[in-house]
Parts: sequence; C-alpha cells; structure tokens
Amino acid sequence: EAAVTQSPRNKVAVTGGKVTLSCNQTNNHNNMYWYRQDTGHGLRLIHYSYGAGSTEKGDIPDGYKASRPSQENFSLILELATPSQTSVYFCASGGQGGGQDTQYFGPGTRLLVL
Amino acid sequence: GQQVQQSPASLVLQEGENAELQCNFSSTATQLQWFYQSPGGSLVSLLSNPSGTKHTGRLTSTTVTKERRSSLHISSSQTTDSGTYLCAHNTNTGKLTFGDGTVLTVKP
Repeated sequence: EAAVTQSPRNKVAVTGGKVTLSCNQTNNHNNMYWYRQDTGHGLRLIHYSYGAGSTEKGDIPDGYKASRPSQENFSLILELATPSQTSVYFCASGGQGGGQDTQYFGPGTRLLVL
Repeated sequence: GQQVQQSPASLVLQEGENAELQCNFSSTATQLQWFYQSPGGSLVSLLSNPSGTKHTGRLTSTTVTKERRSSLHISSSQTTDSGTYLCAHNTNTGKLTFGDGTVLTVKP
C-alpha cells in the first residue's frame, strides 16, 4: 500500500504570512494531488501533478501554488495566507493513470490562519 | 460539472446489522473509489470499483456504470465501523470528485 506522509501535521500561521505544506510518497507514483476538506464543502482539489516538474490547477487553485521538484515530493504553497485558508489539507498519490488511479491519502495537515 | 451524491447522509445501526450506502454520479466513471474516514482522521481507501462487484472482508461494492450508481454494503456492522464513508469518481481525467459522505454510527 502507498505510503504518503505530510508535514507539518499542524500549523498556525498569521494572515499575510507564507506557508509551505509538504508531501512525500515512497511508492513511485506518477500522480500527486492536494485537497482541502471543509465542513459543508467536502473534499476539493486544489492542485495536482502528473510527474516531476509538472503542476496543474484543480478546482479551487486561487491563492495557492504547487511545486513538484521530484517524483517523491509535492508541496503546496500559500504565499499570502488568509483566514479563509484555514482548513485540513490532504495530499494523495496515485499511479495507475489512464483515469483509473486508485488514490492513497496522507494523514492530513491542520492549518489555522489567524 | 461532475457531481457525486451520496445517501443516506447519516445512518444509525445496532451492532450486527447490515448497512447499505448509495452513491450516484452525474457522468460515466472510469474510476469509482470508496473511502473510510474516522473522526478527525485521514481517508483510507476501501475499494476501487469502476464497474461490477467487488468484495473485501465484510465489504461489497456494486457499481452499475450505465446507471451511474454504486453501492457499498457492510455486513455484520461493528462499532469500529463508525465514521464517514466517502464515494469519489473520475471521468478519465485522474481527478476525483467526492460526495459529501454518509456518516455511519454503529451502537453496541
């Protein structure tokens, strides 16, 4: 089973500050994803990647950047954090491709922006 | 856009009873995945089942692609099955769209 880890697990940030959330996967999956989960909105896709060097916009990319420097690592960057970005963020990886990915999720990062 | 609707929104059972969870989606799925999420926890993949019937342990998923629906059957429920069950699908883009989930409570 895919191993996906995230850091930090909890983060408190100030409005206007820069936040970087990191994700690492050890199963050599090509695809990686960042989601946020909020009560009333469920899980929503922010950014995703098909491999090292690639990033794609998901359904709610505004206010977020992504970076995929290697097969294993995928970061989510909040350049100017706002309170509306307070949420739980999940990273996932999947490798089958062709629209048939089985996605495996990390433990999540709880972000509070004050 | 793609939509995923799950029912019921919540379900309360006595231990030992069976559960039937439903998922309806708006467009033909190339992947249909069921997840379990414990309160405050992460998502655990239960079954990937874009068509047909699949079993694992006490779980059975049946997806009827033409009718754009999937079900998850949990037999002989246990208190440890309590949590949220999420259905998600994609249509050949690799991007999953999630339903809002079914909150299952199993009482001893």
